[in-house]
Amino acid sequence: RKEVEQDPGPFNVPEGATVAFNCTYSNSASQSFFWYRQDCRKEPKLLMSVYSSGNEDGRFTAQLNRASQYISLLIRDSKLSDSATYLCVVNIMGTGGGNKLTFGTGTQLKVEL
Amino acid sequence: DAGITQSPRHKVTETGTPVTLRCHQTENHRYMYWYRQDPGHGLRLIHYSYGVKDTDKGEVSDGYSVSRSKTEDFLLTLESATSSQTSVYFCAISDQGNTGELFFGEGSRLTVL
Repeated sequence: RKEVEQDPGPFNVPEGATVAFNCTYSNSASQSFFWYRQDCRKEPKLLMSVYSSGNEDGRFTAQLNRASQYISLLIRDSKLSDSATYLCVVNIMGTGGGNKLTFGTGTQLKVEL
Repeated sequence: DAGITQSPRHKVTETGTPVTLRCHQTENHRYMYWYRQDPGHGLRLIHYSYGVKDTDKGEVSDGYSVSRSKTEDFLLTLESATSSQTSVYFCAISDQGNTGELFFGEGSRLTVL
């Protein structure tokens, strides 16, 4: 089982739609969580951190459910410019006590007219 | 945007030849990382550095070595390139280790024939 799992998609949605992505992680000792965005053939960039209390940034809302070990990202009022791959990232405690960031394979979103 | 440059951006080489990728930062961040990204896999950590001359292995370090003689430069070397090392390589930097945001370079696309 992968440490971080995401549905690869693609999710094809019309402009203005609401879309949600989920991500599950296997290590219950994980400490911090992030969503990154990656445009085609570009580098990943931090979209937002994910907190236990949930957090919102404009049209984007991230939620963390530690009991079920999943993270979600909700995008409201989708724009064409939201088309990208969304990477779920988890800070997982290593066996030696150090932390490591583990990336999911990403969920592809295509917003269409 | 964070000041990270990778060179070369594109390289085609033959099996068995040595290859060095360079990452240069102007942010004076302590931590530097080399990742590779392949279809069906998330970004996977090759090596990282937590200071000048301080480096450690990531999850896919076999066949790779690194060096960091200055804060601003982190070199990734493939001593004898193999076709399985064809990939897109991303350098990243952070000032908070694995608990903070990673800033990525634009990537280096390596093809080993």
